[in-house]
Amino acid sequence: GIQVEQSPPDLILQEGANSTLRCNFSDSVNNLQWFHQNPWGQLINLFYIPSGTKQNGRLSATTVATERYSLLYISSSQTTDSGVYFCAVERRGGSEKLVFGKGTKLTVNP
Amino acid sequence: DVKVTQSSRYLVKRTGEKVFLECVQDMDHENMFWYRQDPGLGLRLIYFSYDVKMKEKGDIPEGYSVSREKKERFSLILESASTNQTSMYLCASSLPGQTNTEAFFGQGTRLTVV
Repeated sequence: GIQVEQSPPDLILQEGANSTLRCNFSDSVNNLQWFHQNPWGQLINLFYIPSGTKQNGRLSATTVATERYSLLYISSSQTTDSGVYFCAVERRGGSEKLVFGKGTKLTVNP
Repeated sequence: DVKVTQSSRYLVKRTGEKVFLECVQDMDHENMFWYRQDPGLGLRLIYFSYDVKMKEKGDIPEGYSVSREKKERFSLILESASTNQTSMYLCASSLPGQTNTEAFFGQGTRLTVV
C-alpha cells in the first residue's frame, strides 16, 4: 500500500517563529489532507490539497504531486498551534481510504 | 458546516461486554470510516462502508464488526470487549469519486476497557 512519511516527528518553537512540516508519499494521490489534532483528540481539517498551493490565514500548504510531497507552513506561531499535525492521502485508483502519516508533534512555547 | 457526530466522547466498559460506538453524519456522504488511534501506531483503518449495507475490512478488523442500515449512520461493534481495544476511536465520512473527496471527522470516542 501507499506509504506516508512525515517529518520532523517533533518540533519545539518559540511563539512567533515560523515552521515547515513535510509529508512524503510513495504513489500518485487523489486526495491529500492536512489535519490538526486538538488537545481533546478531534481532527480539524486544515487543507484539502491534492495539488497546488492554498493559504488560510497564518497557515499555507503546497503539494507537488509530481514529486510526491506536501509542505505545511505555519507562520508567526502561537501557543494554540500546539498539537499533532497529520498528513493523510488517498491513493489514485485506490479504494477511497485515507492513509495517515505518523504525525508531527508541535509544541509552541510562550 | 459538515457535521460528523460520535455518540460518546468518553466510555468505560468491562471486559467481555458488547460495545456499540455510533457515528452520524449530516452531509449525505456515501463513504464512512472507523479508525482507531494508538500512541506510536498512528491512525489505522478498522472498517469502511461505501454505501448502505456495504462494508469492507480495513487494516485491523479483528474483534470488530460494523453496521450501516441507514446512509447517515455507521456503527462500530466490539462483540466482546478486551483490554487491548482500549483506544481512541475516530469516525469519518466523505464523498466517493476521484475529486472533492475531502474527509471529515467526528470528535472521537476515548474507550477504556477494564
